[in-house]
Amino acid sequence: QVQLQESGPGLVKPSETLSLTCTVSGGSISNYYWSWIRQPPGKGLEWIGYIYYSGSTNYNPSLKSRVTISLDTSKNQFSLKLSSVTAADTAVYYCARDGGAAANLWGQGTLVTVSS
Amino acid sequence: QSALTQAASVSGSPGQSITISCTGTSSDVGGYNYVSWYQQHPGKAPKLMIYDVSKRPSGVSNRFSGSKSGNTASLTISGLQADDEADYYCSSYASSSTRVFGGGTKLTVL
Repeated sequence: QVQLQESGPGLVKPSETLSLTCTVSGGSISNYYWSWIRQPPGKGLEWIGYIYYSGSTNYNPSLKSRVTISLDTSKNQFSLKLSSVTAADTAVYYCARDGGAAANLWGQGTLVTVSS
Repeated sequence: QSALTQAASVSGSPGQSITISCTGTSSDVGGYNYVSWYQQHPGKAPKLMIYDVSKRPSGVSNRFSGSKSGNTASLTISGLQADDEADYYCSSYASSSTRVFGGGTKLTVL
């Protein structure tokens, strides 16, 4: 069955760019929306943004100036870049597949800590 | 874009029913029939329990049901079981095709 797996550095320095990749296995990246969602330790979920398989994107207005989500269909992957990070960006980052307007398939999540 | 409002905690005894509410605005919950609910056990990824206000994904127990009235959506769990103890999050489609989550509700099964 389709599975999602996040990968990337677990530690990022303040002011640098956080970069994560989500690999989709067992199925095609086509015909779906692909999202990034994060969860600071002990806190709730925050939607970061999504990319459609066509390449169109939409971002959380509060993060829009710092976020880029991209797609690599040849590798069945999509990626997140978040620039100028601070300690407030420390969180578990999840990638997810949207079925309509709901995330019906999630990766296991990866903890990214922002610290010098 | 403000987070949807959920009670911080709710509790119930095994076999009972509980309802978790999620309040938004006409720009999200009240404006679209695209409310979803997620269950999250500690240390695990969220799991979709309800989508499009009241639809259940394949494999989700019919003890879980969703509804909406105006700007408030609700998740009802009937016949509470120990394994239902988890955090529950609502989410809604919002204006400009964005998404917004609620702050989460911790369900304790007594």
